[in-house]
Amino acid sequence: KAGVTQTPRYLIKTRGQQVTLSCSPISGHRSVSWYQQTPGQGLQFLFEYFSETQRNKGNFPGRFSGRQFSNSRSEMNVSTLELGDSALYLCASSFRWDRGYEQYFGPGTRLTVT
Amino acid sequence: GENVEQHPSTLSVQEGDSAVIKCTYSDSASNYFPWYKQELGKGPQLIIDIRSNVGEKKDQRIAVTLNKTAKHFSLHITETQPEDSAVYFCAASMGGNAGNMLTFGGGTRLMVKP
Repeated sequence: KAGVTQTPRYLIKTRGQQVTLSCSPISGHRSVSWYQQTPGQGLQFLFEYFSETQRNKGNFPGRFSGRQFSNSRSEMNVSTLELGDSALYLCASSFRWDRGYEQYFGPGTRLTVT
Repeated sequence: GENVEQHPSTLSVQEGDSAVIKCTYSDSASNYFPWYKQELGKGPQLIIDIRSNVGEKKDQRIAVTLNKTAKHFSLHITETQPEDSAVYFCAASMGGNAGNMLTFGGGTRLMVKP
């Protein structure tokens, strides 16, 4: 079974621009969560989607948004990029959302904001 | 919200020795505790997990123990090998309305010297 895939793997953007990252979950998984990983803050939860609905949201500004499509693929968008948004963005998929199920991570998208 | 503390931040062992990483959590509602291994340039890989109704779980050279009363859980790796060198993260999840949201510890860099 193929794992979680994320595209693109690397991205360089300029302050003020916006960016869209994509995640395809493991086949059959309907929950997709997004995390931000930085050396200073570690791994932090951004949001979780299940059946095209946002189920939970972490403590991030409104510039961070996401969506999920009917095939469970998910995208996250960051608008008006800031230097502090430079991070590894990780997507994780799970079979369900309501119980704390096993989550499997993709390789991440490395975003650099200059 | 939940807070997870992880110790030590770095751990150096000789090949063949055992390694122990400890985590504490703050919210007694947490009921699912996974451990992830992250190698350079890769996303976190789920290596073992434990639920609050279980005190210990083993998988070959890896074991996890949970003490609900004290709110701490530990990862034990026996007969360490150089390929065990990586950053290890503990995490906690409450399930229910919190869904699959994971709160991560700060990570432990394990170095296994040949």
